Amino acid sequence: RKEVEQDPGPFNVPEGATVAFNCTYSNSASQSFFWYRQDCRKEPKLLMSVYSSGNEDGRFTAQLNRASQYISLLIRDSKLSDSATYLCVVNIGGSQGNLIFGKGTKLSVKP
Amino acid sequence: DAGVTQSPTHLIKTRGQQVTLRCSPKSGHDTVSWYQQALGQGPQFIFQYYEEEERQRGNFPDRFSGHQFPNYSSELNVNALLLGDSALYLCASSFGGEIPEYFGPGTRLTVL
Repeated sequence: RKEVEQDPGPFNVPEGATVAFNCTYSNSASQSFFWYRQDCRKEPKLLMSVYSSGNEDGRFTAQLNRASQYISLLIRDSKLSDSATYLCVVNIGGSQGNLIFGKGTKLSVKP
Repeated sequence: DAGVTQSPTHLIKTRGQQVTLRCSPKSGHDTVSWYQQALGQGPQFIFQYYEEEERQRGNFPDRFSGHQFPNYSSELNVNALLLGDSALYLCASSFGGEIPEYFGPGTRLTVL
């Protein structure tokens, strides 16, 4: 089983749609969770951290379910500029910044 | 304030050759991590350097080695290149190994 698994995608949605990405992780010792965004042929950029209580940043909502080892990202009112690959990322913890990435889910928002 | 910088941007090598990639961390950061991202995959952790020492290593062979300099910049060396080493090599920096990490634009290596 892969350490971090994501919906394979691609997701093709119209502008204004709501889209949800799911992710599961295998290591129950995982301590930190993130969503990164990666544009085509660019580096990954941190979108948001994910907390057990759930957190929201504008149109983006991230949730974590530790019991199910499940992470989600919800994007409301999709914009053309949201088109990118979304990477689910986990860190085992401690002072070591070893990030474990999923393969990513590609989102394409159409006019 | 310059972010993470990497050089070169692109590189083409042939099998069996050796390559050196370079990274300068974001100002104020002292920790450099290297990742390999093959096409269609997420980045995979290669190793991390802190205080000029390799502090942690992922599942990569000894052909992959690195170095960190006193100014915190870092090099990634790959010996005996294989076709499968073709990938985007990303450098990320942080302070004290804390996360999240800021990534550089990457070096795209093609092995022919």
